[in-house]
Amino acid sequence: AQSVAQPEDQVNVAEGNPLTVKCTYSVSGNPYLFWYVQYPNRGLQFLLKYITGDNLVKGSYGFEAEFNKSQTSFHLKKPSALVSDSALYFCAVRDLSGSARQLTFGSGTQLTVLP
Amino acid sequence: DSGVTQTPKHLITATGQRVTLRCSPRSGDLSVYWYQQSLDQGLQFLIQYYNGEERAKGNILERFSAQQFPDLHSELNLSSLELGDSALYFCASSPYLTGLGNEQYFGPGTRLTVT
Repeated sequence: AQSVAQPEDQVNVAEGNPLTVKCTYSVSGNPYLFWYVQYPNRGLQFLLKYITGDNLVKGSYGFEAEFNKSQTSFHLKKPSALVSDSALYFCAVRDLSGSARQLTFGSGTQLTVLP
Repeated sequence: DSGVTQTPKHLITATGQRVTLRCSPRSGDLSVYWYQQSLDQGLQFLIQYYNGEERAKGNILERFSAQQFPDLHSELNLSSLELGDSALYFCASSPYLTGLGNEQYFGPGTRLTVT
């Protein structure tokens, strides 16, 4: 079975500082990894994905994520946090078992950027 | 705006009742996914339809059912409602059946409150 873990329920960071939201995964084959963001009272929005290629993936709103196969991690990063980045962040892995290749989501990390 | 629409936005009903949630996928998307988001369970995959056919089931209760119509919109039916069914229900769509590297596009969700 595929799984993804987000070890931190809450991350606080000061505006202008770099931010990291952690994600580790477990898959039987090659991982397909995604980050989504959820703003209050909104649906999930796609941020970025890793399929293959460069370990550093760049996405929307200045976010990037680093794929580390040896550590089975896919941490989300941003060099300089904005107050508007405050939201709930979900890491997801593509489930390779079964015919429909379902997304399995982590439990989410609440990011709060303090002014 | 993801292009996925869901109605109604909010729904309040009593225990034992039955409700229907509606989802219209992005234009051209053939796959529709339903998710349940609750505080204690996180984001859980319920069921997937592709071009009118059920293709995958997740943690969906027997009291719940779904269908996808010829115009590709989908409905999630929840019956014999219990207090624990109170949650945010999301619909997502994507163009393909599997599309391992393709992200899903989420609607704004329907907040169901069972009293």
